[in-house]
Amino acid sequence: QKEVEQNSGPLSVPEGAIASLNCTYSDRGSQSFFWYRQYSGKSPELIMSIYSNGDKEDGRFTAQLNKASQYVSLLIRDSQPSDSATYLCAVNTGFQKLVFGTGTRLLVSP
Amino acid sequence: SAVISQKPSRDICQRGTSLTIQCQVDSQVTMMFWYRQQPGQSLTLIATANQGSEATYESGFVIDKFPISRPNLTFSTLTVSNMSPEDSSIYLCSAIEGGSGNTIYFGEGSWLTVV
Repeated sequence: QKEVEQNSGPLSVPEGAIASLNCTYSDRGSQSFFWYRQYSGKSPELIMSIYSNGDKEDGRFTAQLNKASQYVSLLIRDSQPSDSATYLCAVNTGFQKLVFGTGTRLLVSP
Repeated sequence: SAVISQKPSRDICQRGTSLTIQCQVDSQVTMMFWYRQQPGQSLTLIATANQGSEATYESGFVIDKFPISRPNLTFSTLTVSNMSPEDSSIYLCSAIEGGSGNTIYFGEGSWLTVV
């Protein structure tokens, strides 16, 4: 059973702080990793993708991947109340099929 | 990125009936998928929609319950058959755009409530 694990939260951070979201996966052969943001009542929206070990930055978002530790994370700098959502970690386990974690709910307080 | 449109966006269905969800992509895509998100849960892959042939279903999902068609590169349908309250979910169409590597995009979802 290929699994993706996330802390369900909620993760509460004050406005302007760094939010750190974590994800572990069980399939060592996984090659691509994604973070989706899902607002209540909406469908998932792609935030970041990462394929290689290390960091990938896009604006306020940084994805980090460590394949040896089977760990992927998402950092959100200068968190805003509009970042309050559920963040889903997804792992491509082959044939472009995504296995999703249960999501971490992020709450950014003004 | 590809724009993925789903119809209906929301529906309330009677127990025992069937409903077909349509998914239209605005560009040719390499692969299309159907996911389900039950209330309070994460997304689960139902099947891969194959153009011109039978869909490939994941464990726990069967063709009789979730028949899928994909007559061309940009269109697919998912039918939820003989619905029960347990089928109340968001059903999401997703696709991989040809030029985007293996990035998977989602439609806005079809929110079904079975009463």
